[in-house]
Amino acid sequence: DIVMTQSPDSLAVSLGERATINCKSSQSVLYSSNNKNYLAWYQERPGQPPKLLIYWASARESGVPDRFSGSGSGTDFTLTISSLQAEDVAVYYCQQYYTSPSFGQGTKLEIK
Amino acid sequence: QVQLVQSGAEVKKPGASVKVSCKASGYTFSNYGITWVRQAPGQGLEWMGWINPYKGKTNYVQKFQGRVTMTTDTSTSIAYMELRSLRSDDTAVYYCAKGSGTSPEDFFDSWGQGTLVTVSS
Repeated sequence: DIVMTQSPDSLAVSLGERATINCKSSQSVLYSSNNKNYLAWYQERPGQPPKLLIYWASARESGVPDRFSGSGSGTDFTLTISSLQAEDVAVYYCQQYYTSPSFGQGTKLEIK
Repeated sequence: QVQLVQSGAEVKKPGASVKVSCKASGYTFSNYGITWVRQAPGQGLEWMGWINPYKGKTNYVQKFQGRVTMTTDTSTSIAYMELRSLRSDDTAVYYCAKGSGTSPEDFFDSWGQGTLVTVSS
């Protein structure tokens, strides 16, 4: 099984500032035959179900603001929010789908 | 638009069973996998398994093997997840989610609202 580890566990950022969340997989999720990273990011606001933000490590889901971006390859990935807005307060999860899906433990993002 | 609407909250005693439903609309139900994910209070997301609605093929996490059954009714576009021999640590919000394709190795582009299952004597 692939274990996903996020850092930090929690993060406080000022409005308008950049927020960066990291995700590391215990083995590579890059499929060599198609050069795609099988990695997604979700946002879970309080009292709501998770919402897909990013898939294939860097493809933004339709309707997701462009301040959200994903990067990385192999085993190390990053979700960046370029300019934090109040509505971005949430828990963020990475998920690999290279094998049977597994999620990171989550990163709680708050306003400083 | 794609919608997944789940059944309401349940309270069960230890040893009982629960069956959660997930009604899909806004897309061709048979063409995409349905995954079940649970979230214990204050905890993260745990993938439980997947079903291909068209073929009925399933893939369960080993820890739930023998206790979980996922089914679908393509005539009504409803997916079901039954969990048996409930324990207190099964207390969680259970989510259904639509996959982007037809395999269990997938990301999930739409989610149900969640169903709280409480196991308590």
